[in-house]
Amino acid sequence: DADVTQTPRNRITKTGKRIMLECSQTKGHDRMYWYRQDPGLGLRLIYYSFDVKDINKGEISDGYSVSRQAQAKFSLSLESAIPNQTALYFCATSDYPGTSYNEQFFGPGTRLTVL
Amino acid sequence: QKEVEQDPGPLSVPEGAIVSLNCTYSNSAFQYFMWYRQYSRKGPELLMYTYSSGNKEDGRFTAQVDKSSKYISLFIRDSQPSDSATYLCAIPAGSGGYQKVTFGIGTKLQVIP
Repeated sequence: DADVTQTPRNRITKTGKRIMLECSQTKGHDRMYWYRQDPGLGLRLIYYSFDVKDINKGEISDGYSVSRQAQAKFSLSLESAIPNQTALYFCATSDYPGTSYNEQFFGPGTRLTVL
Repeated sequence: QKEVEQDPGPLSVPEGAIVSLNCTYSNSAFQYFMWYRQYSRKGPELLMYTYSSGNKEDGRFTAQVDKSSKYISLFIRDSQPSDSATYLCAIPAGSGGYQKVTFGIGTKLQVIP
C-alpha cells in the first residue's frame, strides 16, 4: 500500500466551485506539505504543517486554505476555483528531525482542471 | 535571480548514452543537494543526495557538486528506457527547525530504445 495517498486522482470542476483535495499518510511523519506543479514553473509550496496545531503559508497560498484533521490527514481547499488553479497538486510528508536534507515523500498527485 | 535554475529540456538520447543533467544555484551557503526522479503520473522520489562538494556514485548514477561555480550535475551511464522520467534538482535551506526545499523546474528525459 502507498505511504502517501491522495484523493481524488483527477478532478474537473467549474469556475467558482469549492473543491477539496485530501491527503492521508501512513508514514507517521509529523510534517505535511501541499505543492502545485505547473509546466515551466516547477513545484511550488502552497502550505505546510508541522503538526495538527501548526500550519503555515507557503509561497503561493492565496486562493487556498488547508485543514490538518489529524497527524495523518491534511486537506487542501479551493474556496472558489479559478482557471489558473488548473495544475497538478502534490501532497508530501517529511520526518523531523529526520534527515538533514529534509527528504520529501510525495503522494501520486491530483490533476485538477478548472473550466 | 532564482535560487535554483534548471533547463527543462526535453532531452532525448539513444539507449546506452551517457546523460548529463544540470542545475545552477545562487546561494553559496547551500550544503545539501538532491536529485528527485518523477515518472509520468507519479510523485517525485528522491534519487540521490550529496553534501558539500564532490561526487557521489550509486550504480549508474553519479551526482556531482561544484560549489566554486554553484553548479550541480547528475550523470547517468548506460542509460536505459526505464530512466525516461523528469529529473528535478532540489536544495534544502533554512533554519529554526524548518528547511524549505527549493526545486528546479525539472528536465524531462526520454531514452529511446
